[in-house]
Amino acid sequence: DVKVTQSSRYLVKRTGEKVFLECVQDMDHENMFWYRQDPGLGLRLIYFSYDVKMKEKGDIPEGYSVSREKKERFSLILESASTNQTSMYLCASTLAGLNQPQHFGDGTRLSIL
Amino acid sequence: AQSVSQHNHHVILSEAASLELGCNYSYGGTVNLFWYVQYPGQHLQLLLKYFSGDPLVKGIKGFEAEFIKSKFSFNLRKPSVQWSDTAEYFCAVNVMEYGNKLVFGAGTILRVKS
Repeated sequence: DVKVTQSSRYLVKRTGEKVFLECVQDMDHENMFWYRQDPGLGLRLIYFSYDVKMKEKGDIPEGYSVSREKKERFSLILESASTNQTSMYLCASTLAGLNQPQHFGDGTRLSIL
Repeated sequence: AQSVSQHNHHVILSEAASLELGCNYSYGGTVNLFWYVQYPGQHLQLLLKYFSGDPLVKGIKGFEAEFIKSKFSFNLRKPSVQWSDTAEYFCAVNVMEYGNKLVFGAGTILRVKS
């Protein structure tokens, strides 16, 4: 069974801090994704990656960056956290190729004070 | 821009009632369609998916969905809900020309009263 592990379930940070959210998958998936989930808005794609050292912007990349140095790990970085980045963050992964369902982690609930 | 609309944000049903959750998308090209479910405190799980073939697809836990291309719809149904179906349900669309990206609807929170 696919396991997508997010490093923290809950995180509290202060405005202006640099925040790292880590995601690791154990099934050798090529594709990895970061979403944020907000009530009434569903999931919105922040960044995704099709391969190591490769990244593409999603629908709401502003204020975020990502890093994919190893195939199994995809990090989301908030360069200078702001209160409007308080949200639930979800990581997902899939195999390469079309028609592949995404497998999700448990999420990190991030609060920026 | 692509969009996915889920018509109801909150639905409350009694056990054994029938369920239908609406989902419409705006893209006219070739699409793959998904329903995901998120039970309280758990991660999103795939409920069912449609890629091609029979437009009526069956998923886990007695759920099914029907793809109606002419209506750009992919509604989720279950004939008789249980208390354990209480969850948030998300419709998602993958536009094949754009690779593996998914566009999600806003979600529908279903509460089943026992």
